[in-house]
Amino acid sequence: QVLLVQSGAEVKKPGSSVKVSCQASGGTFSSHAINWVRQAPGQGLEWMGGIIPVFNSPTYAQKFQDRLTVTTDESTRSAQMELSSLISADTAVYFCATYRGDVWGQGTLVTVSS
Amino acid sequence: AIQLTQSPSSLSASVGDRITITCRASQGVGDTVVWYQQKPGRAPKLLIFDASTLQSGVPSRFSGSGSGTDFTLSISSLQPEDFATYYCQQMFTYPHVFGQGTKVDIK
Repeated sequence: QVLLVQSGAEVKKPGSSVKVSCQASGGTFSSHAINWVRQAPGQGLEWMGGIIPVFNSPTYAQKFQDRLTVTTDESTRSAQMELSSLISADTAVYFCATYRGDVWGQGTLVTVSS
Repeated sequence: AIQLTQSPSSLSASVGDRITITCRASQGVGDTVVWYQQKPGRAPKLLIFDASTLQSGVPSRFSGSGSGTDFTLSISSLQPEDFATYYCQQMFTYPHVFGQGTKVDIK
């Protein structure tokens, strides 16, 4: 079974960018099938974007279209998410997950504060 | 984008109760709905995929059904560890939106 380990918590200023990484270990892993989901404090799950399996191309929820970039690196078995132009409403826990949703990272808290 | 509406938003139940959570899609999504359980401070856990297939290791008291626009998650006999928030998600088309969640707490 693959394990996904995410990078540590971040504190960012409004207007800046944040990168969150997702490292796979063990099992069979396709970095081309990683999705990113976030959860604001006390709120539900929000699908942000991910890599479309087979096509190996990114797809994004419309609200993140202009400031979210997801990438993968098959050689290092890792995926990365970068969110730019941060605002306080981006304060949330960010998760990476396999396409099927059967394996999730532990979550990375991103706090946006001046 | 497709919208998923879960009902109820919350429910109170007792150990041993049977509960059912509904997820309605704004348009047909085939049988591509998955269900998750999430506990505070934890990542979601996959329970059901393809609307009705139990994920490996998930107790058989969990079951899912439905196709098209209407889906249900049932727990046949609620256990103490089942008190959590449950989410549906559709995998039919991008974006893979989630329902707003159903919180199950102890009566």
